[in-house]
Amino acid sequence: AQSVTQLDSQVPVFEEAPVELRCNYSSSVSVYLFWYVQYPNQGLQLLLKYLSGSTLVKGINGFEAEFNKSQTSFHLRKPSVHISDTAEYFCAVRGGGNKLTFGTGTQLKVEL
Amino acid sequence: ETGVTQTPRHLVMGMTNKKSLKCEQHLGHNAMYWYKQSAKKPLELMFVYNFKEQTENNSVPSRFSPECPNSSHLFLHLHTLQPEDSALYLCASSQGLAVSSYEQYFGPGTRLTVT
Repeated sequence: AQSVTQLDSQVPVFEEAPVELRCNYSSSVSVYLFWYVQYPNQGLQLLLKYLSGSTLVKGINGFEAEFNKSQTSFHLRKPSVHISDTAEYFCAVRGGGNKLTFGTGTQLKVEL
Repeated sequence: ETGVTQTPRHLVMGMTNKKSLKCEQHLGHNAMYWYKQSAKKPLELMFVYNFKEQTENNSVPSRFSPECPNSSHLFLHLHTLQPEDSALYLCASSQGLAVSSYEQYFGPGTRLTVT
């Protein structure tokens, strides 16, 4: 079985500041990791994914994430956020089987 | 229409009603999913279909009954629901179930309120 922990339920940040959204996972098998974003009244959209290879993964909208196997983490970062990045962000892990397990989400609020 | 569409977007139903949620994907995908999203809780996978066959039922109560007549359409039939079933129900699709084809595309969801 696998699980995902997103410790921060809300992250406020000023526009143009950097941001990091934390994600830790646990799994007894090799994992595949995903970050999704959900804007108000919309479904989830894939930001980026780690399947294999380079541990630094670049996604859409200037986001990137780094897979750290020793720390079982997959933190999401953006060097300079914009108002339009205000949304809820979900980390997800797929281990064995076909099931994607999601975290509880982090609400990113970008302020002027 | 493009992507994944869901109808209705909002639904209010009494506990004795029967209603259905509809999902349609226009992406040529083979796998479809139902998720439940409740406030402050992780997304819960409910059902997975691959090539119209159910491959996963995540211990969902029988008052939720899925139907997948073809790879493009997925329904969730609802009957005798409870107030705790009020949530956002999300449909998703992916090319397949293999990791390389597993990117899921989500619809906007149906906001269900059970009174």
